[in-house]
Amino acid sequence: DQQVKQNSPSLSVQEGRISILNCDYTNSMFDYFLWYKKYPAEGPTFLISISSIKDKNEDGRFTVFLNKSAKHLSLHIVPSQPGDSAVYFCAASWTNAGKSTFGDGTTLTVKP
Amino acid sequence: DTGVSQNPRHKITKRGQNVTFRCDPISEHNRLYWYRQTLGQGPEFLTYFQNEAQLEKSRLLSDRFSAERPKGSFSTLEIQRTEQGDSAMYLCASSLGSGQNQPQHFGDGTRLSIL
Repeated sequence: DQQVKQNSPSLSVQEGRISILNCDYTNSMFDYFLWYKKYPAEGPTFLISISSIKDKNEDGRFTVFLNKSAKHLSLHIVPSQPGDSAVYFCAASWTNAGKSTFGDGTTLTVKP
Repeated sequence: DTGVSQNPRHKITKRGQNVTFRCDPISEHNRLYWYRQTLGQGPEFLTYFQNEAQLEKSRLLSDRFSAERPKGSFSTLEIQRTEQGDSAMYLCASSLGSGQNQPQHFGDGTRLSIL
């Protein structure tokens, strides 16, 4: 039973355009959501997070949107840059749970 | 900037051998996590510590796996009698456990290959 799902294994966009990565979850107890970026041969790097009390969080070119009723979140990257090419993981947890539950990732390719 | 450090980066061993990995977390972080990642999948939770106490273990963590965090600083993950299915990337992460949600900071992992 996969509690966090990223249904698109890959996404390709042109430099300068918007990248939208999607994530769905099933566990209603999740109240904290994160996005990580991973380059080959490196560990995941924290990108941005959102608490369930918000529906949007923005950090520079990165914005995360949360739709609790749909149990859906998305990561928007505007404008996309070639250096954004990486695997993006969505993760979820609940307060004081400790562990995070990860999706299987979406490989983003930004073409120059 | 001293991040999470994992050693070794790669480990190749024969089936049936024991292996031990080490993780040094960010110094002020009191929580330490172990995850396992296989190709095409996201990290899967194995276990986590708050200071020296092991607070949760996944059912993925069979009796052949043991983790320790003596003195609440570095941690070791040992796999006894390794099997082919143990081949994976083992990731360590650390975070502040302050009652508020905090992101986890990952090391670059130890890649285990079982011959």
